[in-house]
Amino acid sequence: DIQMTQSPSSLSASVGDRVTITCQASQDISNYLNWYQQKPGKAPKLLIYDASNLETGVPSRFSGSGSGTDFTFTISSLQPEDIATYYCQQYDNLPHTFGQGTKLEIK
Amino acid sequence: EVQLVESGGGLVQPGGSLRLSCAASGFTFSSYWMSWVRQAPGKGLEWVANIKQDGSEKYYVDSVKGRFTISRDNAKNSLYLQMNSLRAEDTAVYYCARERSSSCDYWGQGTLVTVSS
Repeated sequence: DIQMTQSPSSLSASVGDRVTITCQASQDISNYLNWYQQKPGKAPKLLIYDASNLETGVPSRFSGSGSGTDFTFTISSLQPEDIATYYCQQYDNLPHTFGQGTKLEIK
Repeated sequence: EVQLVESGGGLVQPGGSLRLSCAASGFTFSSYWMSWVRQAPGKGLEWVANIKQDGSEKYYVDSVKGRFTISRDNAKNSLYLQMNSLRAEDTAVYYCARERSSSCDYWGQGTLVTVSS
């Protein structure tokens, strides 16, 4: 199985900050990567697909980049409603494995 | 509006069985792959299984192979997960999700399965 490693595991930032989360795959997955946001007690929400494509309706402050094994997820200006846990997921090979998550908190 | 509503969760003893259902509406169910994803309490997401539009292809994570069976009834717009030989480590919230080109673009609210004696 492909292992997905996210860093950091947790992150504290201030409103307005630029926030970056990285995700590393254990092998080349091309651009077959999703990013999800999960708020407490809620189902995950798809934000980014194909590594860099913004899902319809998702604010433009969210972005993704990367290919191969190294990927980055960025929030350009953190808003209070962005407090959540973020997960990457590869879909190059089955099973479609997730990263362990990055919990984002407001400083 | 796309809606996915899971049901069938509950408390079951180790070794027992449970069948989860997911009722889909607001889209052409028979046109999409569907998935089950689970989340143990306080833990991350784990992809469990998926199924092709016509049910002809099914894939599972190794930890549930031989114990869980994913199926669908396109006439009833429903997805199922038959879970047998349940273990404590299967305790989780189980989500059904619609796949769009392998991305889970819509999710249900989840149903909690607790395996305990």
